[in-house]
Amino acid sequence: GQQVMQIPQYQHVQEGEDFTTYCNSSTTLSNIQWYKQRPGGHPVFLIQLVKSGEVKKQKRLTFQFGEAKKNSSLHITATQTTDVGTYFCAGSNTGNQFYFGTGTSLTVIP
Amino acid sequence: GAGVSQSPRYKVTKRGQDVALRCDPISGHVSLYWYRQALGQGPEFLTYFNYEAQQDKSGLPNDRFSAERPEGSISTLTIQRTEQRDSAMYRCASSLAGTAYNSPLHFGNGTRLTVT
Repeated sequence: GQQVMQIPQYQHVQEGEDFTTYCNSSTTLSNIQWYKQRPGGHPVFLIQLVKSGEVKKQKRLTFQFGEAKKNSSLHITATQTTDVGTYFCAGSNTGNQFYFGTGTSLTVIP
Repeated sequence: GAGVSQSPRYKVTKRGQDVALRCDPISGHVSLYWYRQALGQGPEFLTYFNYEAQQDKSGLPNDRFSAERPEGSISTLTIQRTEQRDSAMYRCASSLAGTAYNSPLHFGNGTRLTVT
């Protein structure tokens, strides 16, 4: 089946530092979504990318979809303690079911 | 309802017993998904429905697992003859559209299943 890997698995940063997580698929994706899961919570949708090379921004968050549509990244500028959580990418190659990545757990040290 | 509702929130059962997990999606949402999430892992796809039709059940681990959504709304995930390896958080999600394009998944709080 489809595999979606994320690196790093864990990341500890000082508040104010930047953070990036990378998502790689074994197959070409039709679209990719990003979710954030706070400790003890459930995944919450952040954004969807559809086009090759697409870049979208949400305040301090920048999302990118690779040209080959097999990888994606999420970059957070100047992290805050509210950014703490696990970030998942979820890829689809059929436009239907999504396969989630392994996640990157972000800890922000005040 | 306001969000996806799952019940029970916690379920402890003995090995060999059957369990039924319920999901009540957001009203009007066409698609309903079941995922399983182990601690520290990403959600693992199990199955999904559009309305009452099960579109894909390729993620169900074996034939002890089954799901239904008979009236296109509430869904039940049933695990027969539970085993300890079935212990996990079972999450339901719904989405408005019948395809994943421009249709984010809305997750419930999950059912934590523990098989002793």
